[in-house]
Amino acid sequence: EDQVTQSPEALRLQEGESSSLNCSYTVSGLRGLFWYRQDPGKGPEFLFTLYSAGEEKEKERLKATLTKKESFLHITAPKPEDSATYLCAVRKETSGSRLTFGEGTQLTVNP
Amino acid sequence: ETGVTQTPRHLVMGMTNKKSLKCEQHLGHNAMYWYKQSAKKPLELMFVYNFKEQTENNSVPSRFSPECPNSSHLFLHLHTLQPEDSALYLCASRYGTGELFFGEGSRLTVL
Repeated sequence: EDQVTQSPEALRLQEGESSSLNCSYTVSGLRGLFWYRQDPGKGPEFLFTLYSAGEEKEKERLKATLTKKESFLHITAPKPEDSATYLCAVRKETSGSRLTFGEGTQLTVNP
Repeated sequence: ETGVTQTPRHLVMGMTNKKSLKCEQHLGHNAMYWYKQSAKKPLELMFVYNFKEQTENNSVPSRFSPECPNSSHLFLHLHTLQPEDSALYLCASRYGTGELFFGEGSRLTVL
């Protein structure tokens, strides 16, 4: 069975304290791994798509990486405005339009 | 502003009511989705439409009835819902095999 597992469930950081969020997946024939950010009461906002192991993408303080079994979202010198829930999702070869989401990591950055 | 607009943002209904959620996308995308988001659970795919045709129904109870009159509009008709149907209902759109763009969601409470 396809699974997407995110860890930790919740993470508290001090402003400037770098860390990483993990998304591990057990799907065959990965056709894309997606990272989203979701603020309370709002819809998910697209951040990155990664397609193959070794790929990396960056946006401001965020950097996403991908291996054959997991993806990391590295947050460098976070600010309070980075506080949000970060969602990971995967699409596989045979799933057509379907994305399978993880439960998310709730990140809080204290000033 | 993501280009995907959902109305209403909040809805309270009794179990015997009939109501509808509306989604409109201004991005020229060809696929539209309904997702359900409940507390502490991953996003759950409900329906997918490609070029107005339903391509996925994720075993959703018939008290949820989708309608897609054209590629820009998507509705979710609700009738005789249960309290456990209370959740955030998210609409998303996509072009080709790209990422999903989500609306802000409609927060539904069933009394």
